[in-house]
Amino acid sequence: AQSVSQHNHHVILSEAASLELGCNYSYGGTVNLFWYVQYPGQHLQLLLKYFSGDPLVKGIKGFEAEFIKSKFSFNLRKPSVQWSDTAEYFCAVGLVTGGFKTIFGAGTRLFVKA
Amino acid sequence: EAGVAQSPRYKIIEKRQSVAFWCNPISGHATLYWYQQILGQGPKLLIQFQNNGVVDDSQLPKDRFSAERLKGVDSTLKIQPAKLEDSAVYLCASSWVGLNTEAFFGQGTRLTVV
Repeated sequence: AQSVSQHNHHVILSEAASLELGCNYSYGGTVNLFWYVQYPGQHLQLLLKYFSGDPLVKGIKGFEAEFIKSKFSFNLRKPSVQWSDTAEYFCAVGLVTGGFKTIFGAGTRLFVKA
Repeated sequence: EAGVAQSPRYKIIEKRQSVAFWCNPISGHATLYWYQQILGQGPKLLIQFQNNGVVDDSQLPKDRFSAERLKGVDSTLKIQPAKLEDSAVYLCASSWVGLNTEAFFGQGTRLTVV
């Protein structure tokens, strides 16, 4: 069965620290890859996406992610986090199995200390 | 561009009662999703529509959950009768059809079953 694994459920960082959140998926076919963010009290918003082409994609607010096909991974990175990055981050995979559907990971809750 | 609208924002019911949630997707989006997000978990797809047809309802507990999108625009999700374990946030999302699209999410309805 298709699945998405996020390696860390909770991450605590100090401001200016670097961030890397892991994401692996299990599916051998063509995929679209997404990172969504949910700030406290707000709805899910798209942070960045990969459809094809350059495997290093840049998103909003200084985030980037790298698709490594051989590792079935799509890790999220940011060189220097800010207090305002405190949120929950969800990796998601879009795939075609009959129809097209999007599967989410369990999420990583990031807390950035000021 | 108006976003995905959901109502109500919050609902508290007793177990064995029924409840309904409403969603109005972004104009022109043929694909509509209902997700269930239990506290501490990622969103789980319950049902996916393309226009007024069901694409995927494999994870919908059909003995108690039902959903419709009669005119291919707005949608309702119903739970009858509710159980304690149905307490969750119910998210509606919409997108253009097919691969290489992203889902846009509403604010969600937080359901508490007591």
